[in-house]
Amino acid sequence: EVQLVESGGGLVQPGGSLRLSCAASGLSFSDCWMNWVRQAPGKGLEWVANIKQDGSEKYYVDSVKGRFTISRDNAKNSLYLEMNSLRAEDTAVYYCASGSYYFKYWGQGTLVTVSS
Amino acid sequence: DIVMTQSPDSLAVSLGERATINCKSSQSVLNSSNNKNYLAWYQQKPGQPPKLLIYWASTRESGVPDRFSGSGSGTDFTLTIRGLQAEDVAVYYCQQYYRSPRTFGQGTRVAIK
Repeated sequence: EVQLVESGGGLVQPGGSLRLSCAASGLSFSDCWMNWVRQAPGKGLEWVANIKQDGSEKYYVDSVKGRFTISRDNAKNSLYLEMNSLRAEDTAVYYCASGSYYFKYWGQGTLVTVSS
Repeated sequence: DIVMTQSPDSLAVSLGERATINCKSSQSVLNSSNNKNYLAWYQQKPGQPPKLLIYWASTRESGVPDRFSGSGSGTDFTLTIRGLQAEDVAVYYCQQYYRSPRTFGQGTRVAIK
């Protein structure tokens, strides 16, 4: 059974930082493009970033470029999202999801709240 | 960016009836080199992550009931639920993966009439 388990969410002040993690099991993690997708409370889905299998390519939505960094550790079957200069509009549930095109597997998500 | 627009925003359908959700992209998501439409559909129930239903516009994901079907090409797509069941109450999203950034429609909420 494939499991993606996110962690690291919480309450942070505007301008602060947070690091999200996603632990993967049950899939060949090193063979997968991986993504972060977020969902603001009561809103729709927004793709945030993705990373190639070997980490050599990374892409971001414009609204997080220069503030967020996606990375992975294939030896640990883990995906990360380093978030800096956080803003109120970054408040959302952050999901990790596998797939280069469509997203086949999703985690349960971790809530990030940016508020003073 | 490719903008995905779904219609309607919500709909209520009687049990056993058909639900139809439309998705329109601001530019074609058809790759003429392989004749594939880069379009997926997801179902999201309250408190749960999205679940992949359909990819390549019409290929049903393993384990998805055959009452769910996808159709369309180019810029106009449809998700049809034939014989709506109570467990189909959810928000449905389309997503294009033809270009980066991947973009989603705003979602369509399906309820029981």
